[in-house]
Amino acid sequence: GEEVAQTPKHLVRGEGQKAKLYCAPIKGHSYVFWYQQVLKNEFKFLISFQNENVFDETGMPKERFSAKCLPNSPCSLEIQATKLEDSAVYFCASSQSRGEGYTFGSGTRLTVV
Amino acid sequence: AQRVTQPEKLLSVFKGAPVELKCNYSYSGSPELFWYVQYSRQRLQLLLRHISRESIKGFTADLNKGETSFHLKKPFAQEEDSAMYYCALRPGNAGNMLTFGGGTRLMVKP
Repeated sequence: GEEVAQTPKHLVRGEGQKAKLYCAPIKGHSYVFWYQQVLKNEFKFLISFQNENVFDETGMPKERFSAKCLPNSPCSLEIQATKLEDSAVYFCASSQSRGEGYTFGSGTRLTVV
Repeated sequence: AQRVTQPEKLLSVFKGAPVELKCNYSYSGSPELFWYVQYSRQRLQLLLRHISRESIKGFTADLNKGETSFHLKKPFAQEEDSAMYYCALRPGNAGNMLTFGGGTRLMVKP
C-alpha cells in the first residue's frame, strides 16, 4: 500500500512489562527507520534498516531495545522491561531511495504506567 | 555530527501576513534538507525538499549554504497552515537518518 502502517495506535504497559510495536513499510521501500518522539516535539533516531539488515543503530538504547525487519513480515520494535521514561510516540518511516523524503506512519503512543 | 536548530517554538501571525519559519543547520558535508508538517491529529508529512526546489501549498524554502539556513516562507498565511513544522537534515547518502529540529508551532489567527 501507499501508507506506512503502524500498529497498535496506542499501547499501555505497566513498568517492567514488554512492549512490541509493528510497522509495515510501503511496498518497494528498502529503508525503514524508527524514531522516538518524547515531549511531543523532539524526535530521536533509534535505528534504520536496509531491507532486513540493520543499517544504523547508533540511536538504540543497547540494553532493552531491539528491532527486526524480516522478509514478508512487518518490522518490529521491542522494548523489554519498559520504564516510565519509555513513554513516547514511536514513529516508523520508510524510504525508497536517495533524494526522497521519508513517508511516516501515524505512530504508536506507548504509555508506561 | 549534524545539528538542526529551529529557534522559534511558537510563531503566531494573522491570516494574510507573511510567514518565515527559521531553520539553521550545522553539517560539514553536503546535506539534504527537508521541511515536514504535522497537522493536528495527523501524521508527519513531507512538505518540501531542497533538491526539488518546488513550491507546495504556497511555501518555498531556499538552501543558503553560506548562512547554513533553510528557512520556510509563505507570502500570505492561511488559517489551514496552522500546524507543527519540522526542519530536517540528512547527510548526502541514501538511507542515513534524518536529524530533526525541535519544531515550530505556527498559529495563524483569523
